[in-house]
Amino acid sequence: QITLKESGPTLVKPTQTLTLTCTFSGFSLSTSGVGVSWIRQPPGKALEWLALIYWNDDKHYSPSLKTRLTITKDTSKNQVVLTMTNMDPVDTATYYCAHSAWEDYFDYWGQGTLVTVSS
Amino acid sequence: QPVLTQPTSLSASPGASARFTCTLRSGINVGPYRIYWYQQKPGSLPRYLLRYKSDSDKHQGSGVPSRFSGSKDASTNAGLLLISGLQSEDEADYYCALWYSSTYWVFGGGTKLTVL
Repeated sequence: QITLKESGPTLVKPTQTLTLTCTFSGFSLSTSGVGVSWIRQPPGKALEWLALIYWNDDKHYSPSLKTRLTITKDTSKNQVVLTMTNMDPVDTATYYCAHSAWEDYFDYWGQGTLVTVSS
Repeated sequence: QPVLTQPTSLSASPGASARFTCTLRSGINVGPYRIYWYQQKPGSLPRYLLRYKSDSDKHQGSGVPSRFSGSKDASTNAGLLLISGLQSEDEADYYCALWYSSTYWVFGGGTKLTVL
């Protein structure tokens, strides 16, 4: 059974750096083809894909946010970490991590974590 | 102009069919791409429904009824999601997505379906 869970601060101040952790079970990020993405959704708005890391450490980023994002993995801990610098109130959103295989659909999602950016 | 454009809303009656469009930006041909569709009900996680590239390259999500299907309209450069026999439980937001240029994922802005 695959599960994912996001953790991190619920409130960050503008200009601060956000660090979110996705802890998962039921699969390994050392298995060929496996990937974990971060996706966010501002309240009442659409999904926005942020970043993806593959089993082989290949990384992909949203072009519009690339300069602010870093995605890393710790295979031994079954974790994927996303950092986003220079947070702004417009970054207020629920942040999800999701599992995928190869360049294919997101089949398992974490419950999401709401991050509010406010002074 | 966004890579994927979806109408903000769609209304249809119970038992009728609903046709969702996901139009690719001018200059991006829908032909080579797999178009993915997700459903999100209020307060719930997105759920993968299906993907469609062609009749020989398509996939239905686990447990997704066959009344949900995908297609393309080359004339309008759009991916399509078709729901037949609409039920009240189909009320949700529907998002399309694609893996653009083997580089990054893109979601459409979503279409809110009202079944009335």
